[in-house]
Amino acid sequence: KQEVTQIPAALSVPEGENLVLNCSFTDSAIYNLQWFRQDPGKGLTSLLLIQSSQREQTSGRLNASLDKSSGRSTLYIAASQPGDSATYLCAVSGGNTNAGKSTFGDGTTLTVKP
Amino acid sequence: GAVVSQHPSRVICKSGTSVKIECRSLDFQATTMFWYRQFPKQSLMLMATSNEGSKATYEQGVEKDKFLINHASLTLSTLTVTSAHPEDSSFYICSAKLGRTGELFFGEGSRLTVL
Repeated sequence: KQEVTQIPAALSVPEGENLVLNCSFTDSAIYNLQWFRQDPGKGLTSLLLIQSSQREQTSGRLNASLDKSSGRSTLYIAASQPGDSATYLCAVSGGNTNAGKSTFGDGTTLTVKP
Repeated sequence: GAVVSQHPSRVICKSGTSVKIECRSLDFQATTMFWYRQFPKQSLMLMATSNEGSKATYEQGVEKDKFLINHASLTLSTLTVTSAHPEDSSFYICSAKLGRTGELFFGEGSRLTVL
């Protein structure tokens, strides 16, 4: 059974800092890995999707990497801003096809202080 | 990215009544949609997988007669909470899977309060 762990559970940084969020998973047989942000009382917003054959994806100040063999992914946020404050979740989709369910981590709650 | 709309965003109902929540993929066809429940300060709990044209697949411990799921078209899935009780009060979220890439897109969530 796939298990996804996110460390740290909470993180507080001053504005402008670069930071890294971590996601680890126990079963390397994944189809893809996706990073989301969730604002309080809202749904999830997709940030980056990495297919199992890819090593990283970038979007603006965000960069996500994937190391399937070690079961790890990182989300790098450059020059953090107060608007980045949210809970960040990673999800891995299992199996060799895109038909698998996704397993979610518990998230990292990020606070960026002005 | 693709857009998934969920409605209503908030609903308050009396105990014993039924409530329907809709999840629509606005700009793509979704063969597969998912329904989740989220408790305060916790991650998502998958309730069921909704497949267009077939019966939903429920996770262990989720009552299929309590949480009715219908996925009658490629753009619409509905979750009906039947005979709602206060313990059903929660935040319900849907997602739709983009078949081409497997990417998930989420609705805005529905806050259900059962009095």
